[in-house]
Amino acid sequence: ETGVTQSPTHLIKTRGQQVTLRCSSQSGHNTVSWYQQALGQGPQFIFQYYREEENGRGNFPPRFSGLQFPNYSSELNVNALELDDSALYLCASSLDTSTDTQYFGPGTRLTVL
Amino acid sequence: QQQVKQSPQSLIVQKGGISIINCAYENTAFDYFPWYQQFPGKGPALLIAIRPDVSEKKEGRFTISFNKSAKQFSLHIMDSQPGDSATYFCAAIAFFGNEKLTFGTGTRLTIIP
Repeated sequence: ETGVTQSPTHLIKTRGQQVTLRCSSQSGHNTVSWYQQALGQGPQFIFQYYREEENGRGNFPPRFSGLQFPNYSSELNVNALELDDSALYLCASSLDTSTDTQYFGPGTRLTVL
Repeated sequence: QQQVKQSPQSLIVQKGGISIINCAYENTAFDYFPWYQQFPGKGPALLIAIRPDVSEKKEGRFTISFNKSAKQFSLHIMDSQPGDSATYFCAAIAFFGNEKLTFGTGTRLTIIP
């Protein structure tokens, strides 16, 4: 086990709704990254937070937003859900932004109907 | 634009055989190349990684071969075992780039008795 947990495990929403996914990083890990993994695809980088500040963003629209808290927890928020947002959402924690090892959680499976 | 191309999409290897997965990249800013292993229902887990100044790295039955001039790298799994059956992702990271970790599309490996 990586020590990274995510909640909920599964989630079903309808188009247009908003969703919040949660991640608990390993204690002491200052960096959290979020990824979207569509079925049969590799994870796609959404954004990264370091010490509660956004530190890099992939090619995702602004309706994908995040927060990182001092207690090593973080959130991914998605507004105005679209059918294509259906995917496995992964968070990964690491010690700092330059480390090469990211520890992934098991993911949250989001289904948008 | 897919920055890391991975092949094959799926691979079936007999127990005891050698599994070979290939990846190619375009972005010369990438400076670290990890491989991840993902089992169903789990997040990706770091398997082995290599830096571009090294041509080969071996850890147990797993070997990465890296060809910087061709911008290609590959994973070799020697003496493949049924427990190796999983999806494998190559990835690349530019530590000071905006997109922190770029994954390939994945290879579903099945080891048959």
